[in-house]
Amino acid sequence: GENVEQHPSTLSVQEGDSAVIKCTYSDSASNYFPWYKQELGKRPQLIIDIRSNVGEKKDQRIAVTLNKTAKHFSLHITETQPEDSAVYFCAASKGSGGYQKVTFGTGTKLQVIP
Amino acid sequence: GAVVSQHPSWVICKSGTSVKIECRSLDFQATTMFWYRQFPKQSLMLMATSNEGSKATYEQGVEKDKFLINHASLTLSTLTVTSAHPEDSSFYICSAIGGKDQPQHFGDGTRLSIL
Repeated sequence: GENVEQHPSTLSVQEGDSAVIKCTYSDSASNYFPWYKQELGKRPQLIIDIRSNVGEKKDQRIAVTLNKTAKHFSLHITETQPEDSAVYFCAASKGSGGYQKVTFGTGTKLQVIP
Repeated sequence: GAVVSQHPSWVICKSGTSVKIECRSLDFQATTMFWYRQFPKQSLMLMATSNEGSKATYEQGVEKDKFLINHASLTLSTLTVTSAHPEDSSFYICSAIGGKDQPQHFGDGTRLSIL
């Protein structure tokens, strides 16, 4: 089955600096890669996603890059703010016919220091 | 946007009790719903996948007789933890997707504590 590795497990940055979280996946058939932000005790919220036919996607301060050949994808957060502090999960997904099986990474706890 | 409602949000009960958790898609029809378990400071572990009107597909190591899943309609799936014990205490989260290649939308989760 799919295996998703995520690094680092914890990340502390100064407010205003950039944060980068990296993930690798094992199944070349995976074609959809969402990123979720989860605050303590709350639901994971989709913040950005990318499909396998795209190499990069950006949404304001958040960007995601995908290298299909190397099977890795990264989340980039620029101009970090204290409210960005949370646990971030990457995920890899594949499937068809209405069924997408998602495998999550182990999570990165991001702390933005004011 | 797509909203998934999960109830209850918190359950505390005695060992041996069966607990039912509901997951509803409020503004879309969910072709597939997923049930996850999350331990403190850990990732989401998929327990099972359910499609409306068919039996759930359980992940390896998940006891289907322990965790009963019923996907009665395109907007409702339930997870019943039967004869719960302290080791079943965890954070359970459901999610739903509205169609092929659509993102998952998560419920708020249910914190289950078995005394």
